[in-house]
Amino acid sequence: AQKITQTQPGMFVQEKEAVTLDCTYDTSDQSYGLFWYKQPSSGEMIFLIYQGSYDEQNATEGRYSLNFQKARKSANLVISASQLGDSAMYFCAMREWGAQKLVFGQGTRLTINP
Amino acid sequence: NAGVTQTPKFQVLKTGQSMTLQCAQDMNHEYMSWYRQDPGMGLRLIHYSVGAGITDQGEVPNGYNVSRSTTEDFPLRLLSAAPSQTSVYFCASSYGGLNYGYTFGSGTRLTVV
Repeated sequence: AQKITQTQPGMFVQEKEAVTLDCTYDTSDQSYGLFWYKQPSSGEMIFLIYQGSYDEQNATEGRYSLNFQKARKSANLVISASQLGDSAMYFCAMREWGAQKLVFGQGTRLTINP
Repeated sequence: NAGVTQTPKFQVLKTGQSMTLQCAQDMNHEYMSWYRQDPGMGLRLIHYSVGAGITDQGEVPNGYNVSRSTTEDFPLRLLSAAPSQTSVYFCASSYGGLNYGYTFGSGTRLTVV
């Protein structure tokens, strides 16, 4: 069964610093997709970045990049030059080719200090 | 373009009451899912559907029913509400394929007293 683990319940960083949010996953499927979502205090779920299991390059979207290490089954989110508006819950999720359902980790609450 | 629309946004139920959370999408997505979000638990999958007429259970299906008679609609029914079902509920939809993320509704905050 697919499983996502986020081991950092909370992270505190200073504005303008880079931050890495950890995500490990478990799957027996060879084809899968990994996603990161942001949930600000307003509650909506915002898609940030996607990485496919066969993608050779790490995904990047503006200040977001995904550090994908397939052999270690990790898909860490890196936010460069953090901003106050980055304070939010961040969720890692995985979608397998077989079931196509999206399964989430427990989330990490990121707080950016001025 | 409305995306995924959930109604109601807030609801208070008494224990034992039943209700239906509505979810509709206008993007012609085949896949739809219901999640509940509780503090410290992330989003847990309740039920999902891969197309009209096809549904399956997720991690926490007990106490909930779903049906999918059209591509657009995926209602979630609480048969006999319990305080343990107090949560925020999200509906989401997607095209098939690994590279498509799910689009989420704005959520329904349900309190069972």
